[in-house]
Amino acid sequence: QSALTQPASVSGSPGQSITISCTGTSSDVGGYNYVSWYQQHPGKAPKLMIYDVSNRPSGVSNRFSGSKSGNTASLTISGLQTEDEADYYCSSYTRSSTRVFGGGTKLTVL
Amino acid sequence: QVQLVESGGGVVQPGRSLRLSCAASTFTFSNYPMHWVRQAPGKGLEWVAIISNDGSTKYYADSVKGRFTISRDNSKSSLYLQMSSLRPEDTAVYYCARDIGSNTFDYWGQGTLVTVSS
Repeated sequence: QSALTQPASVSGSPGQSITISCTGTSSDVGGYNYVSWYQQHPGKAPKLMIYDVSNRPSGVSNRFSGSKSGNTASLTISGLQTEDEADYYCSSYTRSSTRVFGGGTKLTVL
Repeated sequence: QVQLVESGGGVVQPGRSLRLSCAASTFTFSNYPMHWVRQAPGKGLEWVAIISNDGSTKYYADSVKGRFTISRDNSKSSLYLQMSSLRPEDTAVYYCARDIGSNTFDYWGQGTLVTVSS
């Protein structure tokens, strides 16, 4: 049950686009289309942003999108806004029916 | 609006036990699998356990297997986490979360802090 691998930090300027990667194995990310992404602001509970690789829940901006290729999933945020500054976590279903999170990525909007 | 409210956190000595609760409201609790997820101070999210909607199936992270037990009481719309043989590394904010499909945590509680320290 090793954590999925995410970059520790990414940054971008307002209006730009950034992509956060999430790398696992064929036993988790690569084996199932059950990757989700969460946004967490300091001191707050996580918020669901993307589920089943690329689906957006109602109420989440269409600036957020998800994709997957092989064992790596990605979250793209376009038209960066200052309120997007937060920690982002990916999560995947695993072959053993457990779940696993990534280590998290701190997004800084410069 | 879906509500999940955790309780039961606090300071506990290493080796002791603690029981967390999560009270659910404004949705049909018995229809959904539920999870516990924790976050150590300044660290990332760590999945802890899942229980099926009827309580018949449970899975645990290796880090807590054999020490933690997840359970639920659908008649009370409540989720529980019985933690035993606690270690300092179990110190974290513990969140309960609703699962709407395979790996989708759509609602989270506000969390309850567990501190394991002598």
